[in-house]
Amino acid sequence: KQEVTQIPAALSVPEGENLVLNCSFTDSAIYNLQWFRQDPGKGLTSLLLIQSSQREQTSGRLNASLDKSSGRSTLYIAASQPGDSATYLCAVRRGRDDKIIFGKGTRLHILP
Amino acid sequence: DGGITQSPKYLFRKEGQNVTLSCEQNLNHDAMYWYRQDPGQGLRLIYYSQIVNDFQKGDIAEGYSVSREKKESFPLTVTSAQKNPTAFYLCASSIGYSNQPQHFGDGTRLSIL
Repeated sequence: KQEVTQIPAALSVPEGENLVLNCSFTDSAIYNLQWFRQDPGKGLTSLLLIQSSQREQTSGRLNASLDKSSGRSTLYIAASQPGDSATYLCAVRRGRDDKIIFGKGTRLHILP
Repeated sequence: DGGITQSPKYLFRKEGQNVTLSCEQNLNHDAMYWYRQDPGQGLRLIYYSQIVNDFQKGDIAEGYSVSREKKESFPLTVTSAQKNPTAFYLCASSIGYSNQPQHFGDGTRLSIL
């Protein structure tokens, strides 16, 4: 059974720092992995999607990496800003026509 | 602008009452999904539909029902059989291919009176 874990559950860092959020999954046979952002009381916004054949994806100050063999993905945020404060969720799709398994998220707080 | 609209934003249910949550998308997406989110928990899949007039149960379908009569609409009914319905409900959609990201609505928060 695929399980997705995100540690830590919460993180506070000063503005301007670079930071890394972690995601691990138990079954390395995945189809793709997606990072989402969720603001309080809102839905999820897709940030980056990495196909199983890819090692990383970049969008602006965000970079996501994927290491299937070790069952890990990281989301790197450069030069953090207060507006980056949100919960970040990692989600894994097991197969092409399979459902997505979500982690519980990391709640990020950027200190001004 | 294209997107997913969920309504209402807040909903209250009395004991023994069925309530229906609305989800409409104008993205021309084939697939639609309903998730439940509880505090400190990941999203759990309730139902999903890959095409019109077809839907499948997710991990926690008991006490819920759906319909998919139109491509743009995927309403979720929370029945009285769902004993713990208080949660944040999220609707999502995607192009029919699984290598495309899911787009989410802003959610409906359901509470029991």
